[in-house]
Amino acid sequence: ETGVTQSPTHLIKTRGQQVTLRCSSQSGHNTVSWYQQALGQGPQFIFQYYREEENGRGNFPPRFSGLQFPNYSSELNVNALELDDSALYLCASSFGTLYEQYFGPGTRLTVT
Amino acid sequence: AQSVTQLGSHVSVSEGALVLLRCNYSSSVPPYLFWYVQYPNQGLQLLLKYTSAATLVKGINGFEAEFKKSETSFHLTKPSAHMSDAAEYFCAVSEEAGSYQLTFGKGTKLSVIP
Repeated sequence: ETGVTQSPTHLIKTRGQQVTLRCSSQSGHNTVSWYQQALGQGPQFIFQYYREEENGRGNFPPRFSGLQFPNYSSELNVNALELDDSALYLCASSFGTLYEQYFGPGTRLTVT
Repeated sequence: AQSVTQLGSHVSVSEGALVLLRCNYSSSVPPYLFWYVQYPNQGLQLLLKYTSAATLVKGINGFEAEFKKSETSFHLTKPSAHMSDAAEYFCAVSEEAGSYQLTFGKGTKLSVIP
């Protein structure tokens, strides 16, 4: 059974640019959640997708957007990057919203 | 709104000593509580969870936590620390059993001294 995978592992972008991060959910999972973990902080919930629909959103501006595909993989898009967007972005998948989330290794984004 | 406070950003224990990591929560509804561990350059792994059944919860790797409603606490313990326990530990709260929209604490880094 393949776990949650994320790509790329590391990414360096310039302020103002746009970035797309990708997540493949664990086999059989139909729900994907995204979290932002700034250095020295706990993860913060960005949003969750359940069966291709957004199913909740944290306190993040609209320039953070996402997609979930029919195979339940997901993308996180961030427009107009700011320096404070530098963080580890974690993806977690689960079988529905009522079950345990399994986390991927994360994508480290650095904005310069 | 829910929140989590983890007391002590860094805890050091000797190998074989008791591990105690503190977590206090705030929630407007009966909470679901979780402890996750994060090793360097890795994602989060669930250690244990409280979902309104037994107040003493046993998890993986010998860890356990006790839910105390009167103290709004969910402290993590392990009787005897092992070198492999060195990692960062996060307490999280949710209003849903399935850890929907987890709210995390800032984490506690555990160091184990040989």
